[in-house]
Parts: sequence; C-alpha cells; structure tokens
Amino acid sequence: DTGVSQNPRHKITKRGQNVTFRCDPISEHNRLYWYRQTLGQGPEFLTYFQNEAQLEKSRLLSDRFSAERPKGSFSTLEIQRTEQGDSAMYLCASSWSTEPGDTIYFGEGSWLTVV
Amino acid sequence: GEDVEQSLFLSVREGDSSVINCTYTDSSSTYLYWYKQEPGAGLQLLTYTFSNMDMKQDQRLTVLLNKKDKHLSLRIADTQTGDSAIYFCAPRAGSGYALNFGKGTSLLVTP
Repeated sequence: DTGVSQNPRHKITKRGQNVTFRCDPISEHNRLYWYRQTLGQGPEFLTYFQNEAQLEKSRLLSDRFSAERPKGSFSTLEIQRTEQGDSAMYLCASSWSTEPGDTIYFGEGSWLTVV
Repeated sequence: GEDVEQSLFLSVREGDSSVINCTYTDSSSTYLYWYKQEPGAGLQLLTYTFSNMDMKQDQRLTVLLNKKDKHLSLRIADTQTGDSAIYFCAPRAGSGYALNFGKGTSLLVTP
C-alpha cells in the first residue's frame, strides 16, 4: 500500500494555460474523489468516481474543469484556460467500499499557482 | 463551509487533553470523519464514526456524537507537540458521497 499518489506536486502556470493533474489511487480502490482547498479553508468537493463512472459533480466544477477515470484506476483533472482564482491545492482521495461508509484516504495534493 | 462549524483555534499544554468541537447542519449525515492536516500536506484520516454510535475510542482519540444536537467532538488524550496541526470534522452528506468540511481547528500544543 503506497498511498494515494498525486502528480505533479507543484505547478506554476500562466493565466489562460491548461493544466492537468494526475491521481493514482490506492491499488484496487473503486472510489475516487477530487477536492479543492484554498488557503485558510477546508477542502471543497469537486467530483466523485465509482470505478470509471463519474457519479457526482459539484457546482464548483465549471465547464473549464474536466475529470476522467478511463479505466477505473488512475484519474486526471484538467483545468482549461486557468484563472488566478484557480490557484489552490487539488486533493485526490480514494477508498474501497460497496457500502456508503468507507475509509477515505487523501493524497498529498497538487499545488497550483496561476500567475 | 457554513454547514460545518468549528472553533478556529485551540491552544493546550503538552500532556493535557484537547477537545475539538464540531457542529453540522445536515441531520441526514450518517458517516462523520476526522482528519488532521499538517502545513503544506494532505489530509490524514484519524477516525470516523457512524451516526448510530454515541462514542468511539481509538487509542488516544475519543469521538463523541450527539446526533440530536448535531454535535461532534474529538478528544485527544495526553496531547503532544506532534499533534499540532489543523483538524477537520467532515460529515458525509446524507445524499451522495461528498464530505463537507468546515474551516478546521488549528491546534497548537505548547511545551
């Protein structure tokens, strides 16, 4: 068990550029979550996958954001035409369960700075 | 956000007990999580409980739940300097899979 892995850990990009973050969940975890955390705030839910199906999306996930989990393993979060307000830490989490209650593990996050 | 409220700061002396309180608004929350976050790091799962459990103990951690008042607390016994961090209470939304986080409680443990 190597934990939830996120890459890159830090990204600095110019406004208007596209960025992509990758998340490798704990092996065989069927659930995967993306959250966003800004300074001084708690994480905010963005989206949830069960296997390859994206079952839940937050209203925070504007049309500039897209997440995929094509084979039910790793996931990517892409932000198009980045804005300064997108600067935040993007957290991925995973769990295994067929029931509503599950042990959810977070990765170390990917920091995005838009300049 | 405002659906979960915690005191922003708590300061205790090393060796004392810490109690971090949390109130939430979603009465249909069935699973309630506690996470610890150190500066610049991700979230570390401490424990979680179900809404039908009034108390859960796990080594130095004790979680108390008052479902009627929608109040949750995390007690850390024999608090150590390494416990200094931000602690988040995160009820899972009654419908769906999202965890709702507040702003967290910043715990400072002084020698």
